[in-house]
Amino acid sequence: DAKTTQPNSMESNEEEPVHLPCNHSTISGTDYIHWYRQLPSQGPEYVIHGLTSNVNNRMASLAIAEDRKSSTLILHRATLRDAAVYYCIPHPSNAGGTSYGKLTFGQGTILTVHP
Amino acid sequence: NAGVTQTPKFRILKIGQSMTLQCTQDMNHNYMYWYRQDPGMGLKLIYYSVGAGITDKGEVPNGYNVSRSTTEDFPLRLELAAPSQTSVYFCASSYRLGSYEQYFGPGTRLTVT
Repeated sequence: DAKTTQPNSMESNEEEPVHLPCNHSTISGTDYIHWYRQLPSQGPEYVIHGLTSNVNNRMASLAIAEDRKSSTLILHRATLRDAAVYYCIPHPSNAGGTSYGKLTFGQGTILTVHP
Repeated sequence: NAGVTQTPKFRILKIGQSMTLQCTQDMNHNYMYWYRQDPGMGLKLIYYSVGAGITDKGEVPNGYNVSRSTTEDFPLRLELAAPSQTSVYFCASSYRLGSYEQYFGPGTRLTVT
């Protein structure tokens, strides 16, 4: 499994953009990069995923480095509800791999949003 | 849709007791998962299932058992509770194995004393 490195914690002010980095230098060429977040006292929820190109959805944007060794989750305007632990998870895209289907959560980044 | 539901929300067990954590999903997902999350840590996969009657071990299966008799239900059984099993347990489901979007339940907080 690809190892990931994320900052332990980050802080932001409400209404400001937030850039959450993730290093995954050992990522396989076929691994997708997934992001999940976990709000306090809740189960994780899916945020976004991508392979090579930058991706956007209603929750966030995902910027993937050209060499794929790092990625950045972008929250365009942080709200208090975005305060959560954010997990970056490389995950194989091919069904034949032994780790397919099993999300591996690291410790993630604790995001604090100030009013 | 209720999504993924788990019962109970909280439970305190004595060492050596047994219990079953219940998990039900109403999204007709074939794939279901059990994770545990220790304080300040990420989630670890205990068991998963690719459909009724089919289960497989995850990263930390020791001390647990699962069964999958229906598509909707995926109970997790602790036979002889130990303090090391004090944790928050999350059940999840997805449309297919490795689906980019796994849907998680609210969790069961278990304390073994």
